[in-house]
Amino acid sequence: SAVISQKPSRDICQRGTSLTIQCQVDSQVTMMFWYRQQPGQSLTLIATANQGSEATYESGFVIDKFPISRPNLTFSTLTVSNMSPEDSSIYLCSVSGYSYEQYFGPGTRLTVT
Amino acid sequence: AQKVTQAQTEISVVEKEDVTLDCVYETRDTTYYLFWYKQPPSGELVFLIRRNSFDEQNEISGRYSWNFQKSTSSFNFTITASQVVDSAVYFCALSEEGYGGATNKLIFGTGTLLAVQP
Repeated sequence: SAVISQKPSRDICQRGTSLTIQCQVDSQVTMMFWYRQQPGQSLTLIATANQGSEATYESGFVIDKFPISRPNLTFSTLTVSNMSPEDSSIYLCSVSGYSYEQYFGPGTRLTVT
Repeated sequence: AQKVTQAQTEISVVEKEDVTLDCVYETRDTTYYLFWYKQPPSGELVFLIRRNSFDEQNEISGRYSWNFQKSTSSFNFTITASQVVDSAVYFCALSEEGYGGATNKLIFGTGTLLAVQP
């Protein structure tokens, strides 16, 4: 399985600011995914990030609010822009394994005040 | 449309009891994958099992077992002789085969909070 790290692990941010979350994988992967888990809720896919192409966003998520970069096969960033308290969530990145399973990073706990 | 339903929001058991977590899914694809993940209080998601739609064999791994029944679109998870360390939120998830056979996005159920009391 892949080893995935995320930075920061947690942050408290003020309304109106932006935060960039980094996801680093210890091996090259084709597809990386970004999920959001709002307090007490399930996980919802924000977007799929493929290296060398634009990220594909799910319904309800837009690039202006959640810009994503994927500069190489081991790294991706997700930015949460112009934050509001409703953005308080855990943000997780994941990667696909060879047997179609997905492995998740430890998550970034974001609180917006 | 794809959907995963975990009707049990919370389950509380006493240690050593057996417990079954239910998962019902909906998909129009003939090729799909089903997963169970564990999310302990620390928050990380731990991969437990993957099942593809062509393999209906039940699986046992230690105290964990999974029952996959396509006829009822269910993929239930049983913990035998539960322990306090099993306390966590358990998510069932569905993935349909994407372009080129690569894995597609995961559709998660709402999760079941399992509390195992000593």
